[in-house]
Amino acid sequence: QVQLVQSGAEVKKPGASVKVSCKASGYTYTTYGISWVRQAPGQGLEWLGWISTDNGNTDYPQKFQGRVTMTTDTSTATTYMELRNLKSDDTAVYYCAREHTSLFDYWGQGTLVTVSS
Amino acid sequence: SYELTQPPSVSVSPGQTASITCSGEKLGEKYVCWYQQKPGQSPVLVIHQDNQRPSGIPERFSGSNSGNTATLTISGTQAMDEADYYCQAWDSSTYVFGTGTEVTVL
Repeated sequence: QVQLVQSGAEVKKPGASVKVSCKASGYTYTTYGISWVRQAPGQGLEWLGWISTDNGNTDYPQKFQGRVTMTTDTSTATTYMELRNLKSDDTAVYYCAREHTSLFDYWGQGTLVTVSS
Repeated sequence: SYELTQPPSVSVSPGQTASITCSGEKLGEKYVCWYQQKPGQSPVLVIHQDNQRPSGIPERFSGSNSGNTATLTISGTQAMDEADYYCQAWDSSTYVFGTGTEVTVL
C-alpha cells in the first residue's frame, strides 16, 4: 500500500533552518511528484511547493521562493524540504503529499515544526 | 493572488444533507478537489476533478462546480463525517486551498 512516512518533530530557534524528510513506499517513486503543505495551529492548509521525483524540477510559490528548497533522492525514494531563516509564524505541521494531475491523493502523517526562542 | 472562500462552519442533523460552498473568481473554469480532515489527522481526498470520488470514498459524497462556486454535498450525513473540509484548485502555477469549513453533525 502507498505510504509516505515523515521524519519526527523539530524544535528550532528563530533564524535557524529545518529539513524534513518524506520516505515513499508502495508505488513507483518517480511516477508521481511530491508537494509540501503546511498547517499552522488552528489554521488552514498552505502549499509550499512541488518537486518532480523524476528529474528534480521544482516549483515554489512566490511567498517561499528563496527560503525553501526541495530535493529528492531516488535511491531511497525520499524527498526533503528545507526551510531557512525560520520565524515564529513558521510554527506548523508540515505535510508531504503525493501529487498527480493537480490533486493530492496520499499524505504523510505530518511533522510538527516549532519555532521558539 | 487567487483566493477561495468557504463558510467557517456548517451544522447538519444526522441523516440530512450538508452543502459546503467554495467561492472563487471563475472557479468553474478550473478543476476543484475537496479534502476531509479530522482532528489530529492528515487530510484525505474525498472529491477530485469537481465530482469524482476516489476509490473507498462513500457515495454520499458528491461535488459540483459552476460559475464562481464549487459545492461539496454530503447526503445522509453520518456522525463520522464531522470534520474540517477544504477545497483546492490550481491557479497561475500555484495550488490554492480554501479557508476551510468545520462540519458539525448535531
